[in-house]
Amino acid sequence: GESVGLHLPTLSVQEGDNSIINCAYSNSASDYFIWYKQESGKGPQFIIDIRSNMDKRQGQRVTVLLNKTVKHLSLQIAATQPGDSAVYFCAVRGSGTYKYIFGTGTRLKVLA
Amino acid sequence: DADVTQTPRNRITKTGKRIMLECSQTKGHDRMYWYRQDPGLGLQLIYYSFDVKDINKGEISDGYSVSRQAQAKFSLSLESAIPNQTALYFCATSEKGPSTDTQYFGPGTRLTVL
Repeated sequence: GESVGLHLPTLSVQEGDNSIINCAYSNSASDYFIWYKQESGKGPQFIIDIRSNMDKRQGQRVTVLLNKTVKHLSLQIAATQPGDSAVYFCAVRGSGTYKYIFGTGTRLKVLA
Repeated sequence: DADVTQTPRNRITKTGKRIMLECSQTKGHDRMYWYRQDPGLGLQLIYYSFDVKDINKGEISDGYSVSRQAQAKFSLSLESAIPNQTALYFCATSEKGPSTDTQYFGPGTRLTVL
């Protein structure tokens, strides 16, 4: 079946450094990808998305890269801040469907 | 005010009890979803509704039922709660159409079944 994985369970970075969080997916027909941030005790919060016809998209301090050849997705956070501490996970949608497969997430810890 | 609200935020109940979790949204979205989140697992879809008269089972619907009372309201029921239904439950909404299908989540309900 479809899967989303290869998250590191935990990533620790120094405040001010850049963070890179990765996600791999199995369905080559996936057409839409979302990164969510989930803080403790809260619901997942939309960060940034990308469609399969793009390979890079930038937001405020965040960049998502999509490599369809190897079915890999990454989230880059520039100048990581303490408020970025959370679990980050990707959601991958099959082409033409409503259905998402969600990754298990990487817990980002920002060290002062 | 939050766009997607869930009540209650926390609930402790006993095996065999009937429980209802409620979700309301002010985003004006047609589509609503119920997910559960367990430690170490990705979100799993329980039920989804594309409009008031369209309700569908997700991948783990056994033991659950839903009701779409209005465009803005979608409730999840556990008819007879069991301990392995202890989890975080999230409601989500999205706009109609595959090109605008970003899902937005509520704050969650932490359910404990003793």
